[in-house]
Amino acid sequence: QQQVKQSPQSLIVQKGGISIINCAYENTAFDYFPWYQQFPGKGPALLIAIRPDVSEKKEGRFTISFNKSAKQFSLHIMDSQPGDSATYFCAASRSTSYGKLTFGQGTILTVHP
Amino acid sequence: GAVVSQHPSRVICKSGTSVKIECRSLDFQATTMFWYRQFPKKSLMLMATSNEGSKATYEQGVEKDKFLINHASLTLSTLTVTSAHPEDSSFYICSARDWGRETQYFGPGTRLLVL
Repeated sequence: QQQVKQSPQSLIVQKGGISIINCAYENTAFDYFPWYQQFPGKGPALLIAIRPDVSEKKEGRFTISFNKSAKQFSLHIMDSQPGDSATYFCAASRSTSYGKLTFGQGTILTVHP
Repeated sequence: GAVVSQHPSRVICKSGTSVKIECRSLDFQATTMFWYRQFPKKSLMLMATSNEGSKATYEQGVEKDKFLINHASLTLSTLTVTSAHPEDSSFYICSARDWGRETQYFGPGTRLLVL
């Protein structure tokens, strides 16, 4: 029940296209859903995060869509750029657990010029 | 934004030696710090949660006597890999959480290679 399932495992997109990564969770106690971006040999960096009381959050080219009833959330990267090529992780946590994150399996995004 | 540093960034050691990795929150007080391990092209695996001034809570399957964690101050946590063996070679990443905030900020990671 602690799992967060992420798909696809890898994604190839042309420059200017839309990248979409999906995550699904089972534990309804999760109440915080961040997305992290990680470049090779570096630590993850927070991209954007959402709470279940909103269905969508946008920051620049990055948008999180959240479907509470389906227990799913997704990351949309608009106008994808080669510099967006990285590994993306979704995660979830409960506010009562010191913020302990449960990570998805990761998606390797490649944006071709 | 909040900055978390790790030292060293890379370390090579001989089998049987101990290695200490430091994690510091540079511009905020981290009441909670986390230690992760990451294998190539894999997700982050939480090893332990540490709260300042108390003993770390280890995840199932993580040997607490092998991976010693100390969170002595609000800005510093250390991970000591004791009697390291080649199978301990990995990328170790810490994260820190500011009191009252949901966001975890990650360090740049430490690459450990045990020969």
